[in-house]
Parts: sequence; C-alpha cells; structure tokens
Amino acid sequence: AQSVAQPEDQVNVAEGNPLTVKCTYSVSGNPYLFWYVQYPNRGLQFLLKYITGDNLVKGSYGFEAEFNKSQTSFHLKKPSALVSDSALYFCAVRDDTGRRALTFGSGTRLQVQP
Amino acid sequence: NAGVTQTPKFQVLKTGQSMTLQCAQDMNHNSMYWYRQDPGMGLRLIYYSASEGTTDKGEVPNGYNVSRLNKREFSLRLESAAPSQTSVYFCATLSDRGRGYTFGSGTRLTVV
Repeated sequence: AQSVAQPEDQVNVAEGNPLTVKCTYSVSGNPYLFWYVQYPNRGLQFLLKYITGDNLVKGSYGFEAEFNKSQTSFHLKKPSALVSDSALYFCAVRDDTGRRALTFGSGTRLQVQP
Repeated sequence: NAGVTQTPKFQVLKTGQSMTLQCAQDMNHNSMYWYRQDPGMGLRLIYYSASEGTTDKGEVPNGYNVSRLNKREFSLRLESAAPSQTSVYFCATLSDRGRGYTFGSGTRLTVV
C-alpha cells in the first residue's frame, strides 16, 4: 500500500528567505505526486504535480518541487517566502490500485514571519 | 463552470441524527471520492465511485453510506451521527486521464 510522510508538523521561515516543506512517499510502480495548499476555513488548492518528465516541477504562486526517485522524496520549495504563503500544505500520492485515489500526508503548517 | 459543488457548507447535528452530504460535479468525470479531514491526520478516503452505479469502501467507511445514482452526483449519508464523525468532508473528482483532481469547498460537520 502507498503512504506519504510529512515529517514536520510546522515550518517557520522569515519573509524573503527560501522555504522547504518535506515529503517522502512509498508506492509501487510509477509515482503520481501532488502538492496542495489549504488556507484557513477553505478547500484544497492545487499547487503542482509530478507525473513524468523533469524532476523539477514548477507550479502556482512561485512554488516548485523536486522529485528524487532514489530518495523517494518530493520536497516543496520556494526561493523567497511571503507572509501570504502561511497555510497548511499537503503532499499526496495517487494510489497504486484501480481506484486511483489520493493518499495524503498529515500536512505541514507553514508560518512565514514578517 | 462550478466544478465540484458541496452542500451544505456547515451543519450541526445531534448524536443519532441522520443527514446526507451532497456532491455534484459538472465536469463529466467518472471517478468521484469522499474524504474526511481531521487535524494532524490529513485527508482520509471514506468511499469512492469509479462510475455511475458503482461504489467501494476506502480507509474509513464505518458509519457512512454512499450513493452514485447518476454520473453527476455522489452523496454521503450518515445514518446515525456520532461525535467521532465531527470533521470536514471533501468531495473530489478525477479526470478520466487520471492526472487531475478537483475538490469541492468542503462541508464542516459538527456532531454534538
């Protein structure tokens, strides 16, 4: 069965500094990986995905993620954090069964300080 | 142009009451999903439907039933609500190529 680990409950970063939110995964077969962001009392917003191709994936709002097959990681990054990036971030992997459902990590709260 | 619409947005139930959460999509997707979100646990799959008339259990199906009577709608029913079902519920669809998910805005349910 597939799984996703987000080892940090919270990440604190100063505005203007680079940020990284970590994600590792386990799945049989080729991984389909996703990052979503959730603002308070809102739904999930899609940031980016890796299906195939370049290991560096660029997404919305200046975010990018690096797929590393040997380390089974898909870390989310941004070169310069904004206070408005403060939110809850979820990494997810599409499962390796016929249902094709997403399995989510537990989420990482990003706090960007002014 | 709505994508995935969930109703209601908020609901408070008393223990033992029943209710149905509605989900409707206008993207003509076959696959639909119900998730629940609890603090520190991410989103967990309750039920899914691969096509009209078919449903199957996810990781946390106990206490829930679902119905997929047509391609557009996928409803989640709580027959006898329990406080443990207090959560935020999300409906989602998957594009038929299997590469893009669309989530509804969620239903925040409180069972007292």
